[in-house]
Amino acid sequence: AQSVTQLDSHVSVSEGTPVLLRCNYSSSYSPSLFWYVQHPNKGLQLLLKYTSAATLVKGINGFEAEFKKSETSFHLTKPSAHMSDAAEYFCVVSDIGTGFQKLVFGTGTRLLVSP
Amino acid sequence: DADVTQTPRNRITKTGKRIMLECSQTKGHDRMYWYRQDPGLGLRLIYYSFDVKDINKGEISDGYSVSRQAQAKFSLSLESAIPNQTALYFCATSDLGETQYFGPGTRLLVL
Repeated sequence: AQSVTQLDSHVSVSEGTPVLLRCNYSSSYSPSLFWYVQHPNKGLQLLLKYTSAATLVKGINGFEAEFKKSETSFHLTKPSAHMSDAAEYFCVVSDIGTGFQKLVFGTGTRLLVSP
Repeated sequence: DADVTQTPRNRITKTGKRIMLECSQTKGHDRMYWYRQDPGLGLRLIYYSFDVKDINKGEISDGYSVSRQAQAKFSLSLESAIPNQTALYFCATSDLGETQYFGPGTRLLVL
């Protein structure tokens, strides 16, 4: 079975500084990996998706993530944080082990952005 | 997203009551899902449906049932609500690809 581990439950940054949210995955297959964002009282929005094409994936709002197979990582980064980036972020792997592309969610990282 | 709507957005109920959460989508997707979110646990799959005649249990289906009334509608029922079903519930849809599109969520409190 596939799984993801988000290494930090909370990350605090100052506005204008870089953001790094860490994610490691475990997969028996070639994985598809996603980052979703959840703003307060909102649903989940897809930030970006990796599906075995380019290892550096660019998403919305200036976020990007790099797939590193040797490290089984898919960390999310942004060069400069904005106050509106404060939200919860979920790393997700697609599990096809059962013949069904089920999404397996990490436990989330809450990003706090201070002025 | 407005493409996936959930009603109600918030609900308070008492132990033992039956409650239904509804989901509608205008994306034209065949696949629909119900998840629950608990603090510190991420999202867990309750039920999923690939089309109107295909419904499957997810990892935490006990205490829940679903109905797929049409391609666009997928309802989740708690037959006899209990306090540990207090959670945030999300509906999602997808086409044949892996990307799922989520509704805004229903916050349920069972007293």
